[in-house]
Amino acid sequence: KAGVTQTPRYLIKTRGQQVTLSCSPISGHRSVSWYQQTPGQGLQFLFEYFSETQRNKGNFPGRFSGRQFSNSRSEMNVSTLELGDSALYLCASSLGQPTTNEKLFFGSGTQLSVL
Amino acid sequence: AQSVTQLGSHVSVSEGALVLLRCNYSSSVPPYLFWYVQYPNQGLQLLLKYTTGATLVKGINGFEAEFKKSETSFHLTKPSAHMSDAAEYFCAVSLLRDRGSTLGRLYFGRGTQLTVWP
Repeated sequence: KAGVTQTPRYLIKTRGQQVTLSCSPISGHRSVSWYQQTPGQGLQFLFEYFSETQRNKGNFPGRFSGRQFSNSRSEMNVSTLELGDSALYLCASSLGQPTTNEKLFFGSGTQLSVL
Repeated sequence: AQSVTQLGSHVSVSEGALVLLRCNYSSSVPPYLFWYVQYPNQGLQLLLKYTTGATLVKGINGFEAEFKKSETSFHLTKPSAHMSDAAEYFCAVSLLRDRGSTLGRLYFGRGTQLTVWP
């Protein structure tokens, strides 16, 4: 079974540009979450999508947005990039059910550098 | 409010020595607790989790953790370190029992970088 796939692996952008990152969850998983990882702030939750609906949202500005498609694939978009947006963006997927057997599986991330 | 504190951003041990990585949490509801490991240039891999039941949880690669409610702790241990254990370790909390919360939202500690000396 294929794991969580994130593309692209590396991305270099300049300030003011926008960027779209993609995440394909494990087959059968309906929940996709996004996290930002930086040396200064650590791992911070961005948002979670389940069945094409945003189910949970972290404390990030409106420049950060996302969506989920009917096949559970998800994209996140960052507009008007700032230097501080440079980070590793991790996607995670799960079945999306509130049971004790639930597990969260992470992709390898997209390393975004803003120059 | 919920938070996770990992004591010690860097821990160094010799190969074969005991590994102890500390994690304390605060949570408004009984939490689900997790340990993840991250190798360089990779995502997070689940080592183990505590949800309910037995408070001593065994995970992959010989790691285990004990949930101590009275101490609000969930320390990670391994009896004998191996060179391949060198990585960054993250403790995380989920408020899955909280109404409206989901497993997708985890609260992470700042991580502990484990170095293993030969």
